[in-house]
Amino acid sequence: TQLLEQSPQFLSIQEGENLTVYCNSSSVFSSLQWYRQEPGEGPVLLVTVVTGGEVKKLKRLTFQFGDARKDSSLHITAAQPGDTGLYLCAGDHSGTYKYIFGTGTRLKVLA
Amino acid sequence: EADIYQTPRYLVIGTGKKITLECSQTMGHDKMYWYQQDPGMELHLIHYSYGVNSTEKGDLSSESTVSRIRTEHFPLTLESARPSHTSQYLCASRGSRRNTEAFFGQGTRLTVV
Repeated sequence: TQLLEQSPQFLSIQEGENLTVYCNSSSVFSSLQWYRQEPGEGPVLLVTVVTGGEVKKLKRLTFQFGDARKDSSLHITAAQPGDTGLYLCAGDHSGTYKYIFGTGTRLKVLA
Repeated sequence: EADIYQTPRYLVIGTGKKITLECSQTMGHDKMYWYQQDPGMELHLIHYSYGVNSTEKGDLSSESTVSRIRTEHFPLTLESARPSHTSQYLCASRGSRRNTEAFFGQGTRLTVV
């Protein structure tokens, strides 16, 4: 059973389009992190969301944590080819030291 | 800047061989993790440790073992490699502060022939 489900799994869009990636769980998380991973490298942190309902912006990226802290979303405005990569959400499994990752969203932005 | 290192970066090895993947971090982090990842796919947690002499299995069944004798070192061992072990292995560490991020090594790409 995958605790963190992401959708969509794959996304191919044209440069300039907007998109939203979702990270959903039936469990409550104390926080969620979003990472981006490029081929051959380890994931790199984009943002941490901690408070239910929190919204954080990182240039063209907007992150939101659900009010109940069970879900999160990543919205990219005017996507660019440099945004291409694997986007992953992650968090501590409640009550354990396990740090688990979502199922991932592979984004390709075409010029 | 993250200081976590994995060696080797690439490894091609024959079936039945014993291998150890090395992971070291210089940040003094208590928590360390091993993940298995096929190209472009999700990360599966195979082992983790929350301190010296503590190791736990993750969610993905694995025939590997780990040890944590020193804070900075978290090696992963496969006693008898098989083609099904072919994958990328990523090591990560996290500090003790709440809600802290994971820092990753560059990974070891293992091919078992």
